Amino acid sequence: AQSVTQLGSHVSVSEGALVLLRCNYSSSVPPYLFWYVQYPNQGLQLLLKYTSAATLVKGINGFEAEFKKSETSFHLTKPSAHMSDAAEYFCAVSLTGGGNKLTFGTGTQLKVEL
Amino acid sequence: DADVTQTPRNRITKTGKRIMLECSQTKGHDRMYWYRQDPGLGLRLIYYSFDVKDINKGEISDGYSVSRQAQAKFSLSLESAIPNQTALYFCATSDPGLAGGYTQYFGPGTRLTVL
Repeated sequence: AQSVTQLGSHVSVSEGALVLLRCNYSSSVPPYLFWYVQYPNQGLQLLLKYTSAATLVKGINGFEAEFKKSETSFHLTKPSAHMSDAAEYFCAVSLTGGGNKLTFGTGTQLKVEL
Repeated sequence: DADVTQTPRNRITKTGKRIMLECSQTKGHDRMYWYRQDPGLGLRLIYYSFDVKDINKGEISDGYSVSRQAQAKFSLSLESAIPNQTALYFCATSDPGLAGGYTQYFGPGTRLTVL
């Protein structure tokens, strides 16, 4: 079975500051890992995904995430926050060969302040 | 035009009523999913379907049923709605992608309130 833990249900940063959203996973086999973003009153949009091709994954809107097997982590970062980044972010895991059922974390609400 | 559409977008109903949420997709994907989202709990899988003849229960299927009418349509039914089914419901589709790791594409959601 796989699981995902997102540390911090709410994160607040200043505009221009580093964004760091934490995600740790548990998986018995090599995982696929995803970050999704949800803007208010919208569905989920894929930011980026890890499929074992490269450990540093670049996504849309300047976000990137690094897969660290030794730490079972897949933290999401962005060097400089913008007001438009305010949203809820979800980390998710699926198993290779597992029929691609996604298991989601509980989400992190990002607030960006002036 | 949106690739994954959900109807209705908002619905208020009463306890005991039967309600159907509909999902349509134009992406040509075989795999479709229904999730519910509750504050602080993330998204949880209700049902999923790998093709028209293959429907599977997710982690929270009790109180729900589904119908896959065609490759493009996947409906979720609440036979007798109860207040704790008040939530935001999402439909999703997926494809294998060039690098593997099926990416899921989400509809805009249906906000359901059961009084």
